Amino acid sequence: AQSVAQPEDQVNVAEGNPLTVKCTYSVSGNPYLFWYVQYPNRGLQFLLKYITGDNLVKGSYGFEAEFNKSQTSFHLKKPSALVSDSALYFCAVRDLLGGGYNKLIFGAGTRLAVHP
Amino acid sequence: DGGITQSPKYLFRKEGQNVTLSCEQNLNHDAMYWYRQDPGQGLRLIYYSQIVNDFQKGDIAEGYSVSREKKESFPLTVTSAQKNPTAFYLCASSIGFESGSPLHFGNGTRLTVT
Repeated sequence: AQSVAQPEDQVNVAEGNPLTVKCTYSVSGNPYLFWYVQYPNRGLQFLLKYITGDNLVKGSYGFEAEFNKSQTSFHLKKPSALVSDSALYFCAVRDLLGGGYNKLIFGAGTRLAVHP
Repeated sequence: DGGITQSPKYLFRKEGQNVTLSCEQNLNHDAMYWYRQDPGQGLRLIYYSQIVNDFQKGDIAEGYSVSREKKESFPLTVTSAQKNPTAFYLCASSIGFESGSPLHFGNGTRLTVT
């Protein structure tokens, strides 16, 4: 079965420190991977995606993610966290059983709390 | 500004009543989606539509219905057959149904059924 896992319910980090939000996936074939962010009572916003090419993907708001095929991971990173980065982060993978349609499987989400 | 508008933001209904959630987009996107979000469960796909007058069931379609009569609009009806309808509902769209197109989300409708 295809799936995506975010092993941490919450990540706490001090402002100015680097942050990592973890994501692992299980799919057959080449994965299409995404990160989205959600602020309270709002919809999700697209941050970045990996489809092919360079394993290090850069996205919005200074975020980047590293695709690691051997570890089946796609961790989200930022060199220096801001209090305004505090939000709910979702990893998603394309559903390869979706018949080529743009169907995504979302992880359960990781709440990032950045403390001043 | 282009975007997706969901209305209303909050909706309260009595058990046994059908309710329709509105979703309108002016992004000229072909594909539209409805997701349900419950705490700690991420997003689950209810229905999706690739093009006008076509839609497909997602993973949790039971108790829901949709229509796609116009490109801009993709309303979701939560029927009385949905056993646990209280949730946060998100509408999304993408340029096409090709894999890899980022989803653009509305700000959601929080439905409470008592």
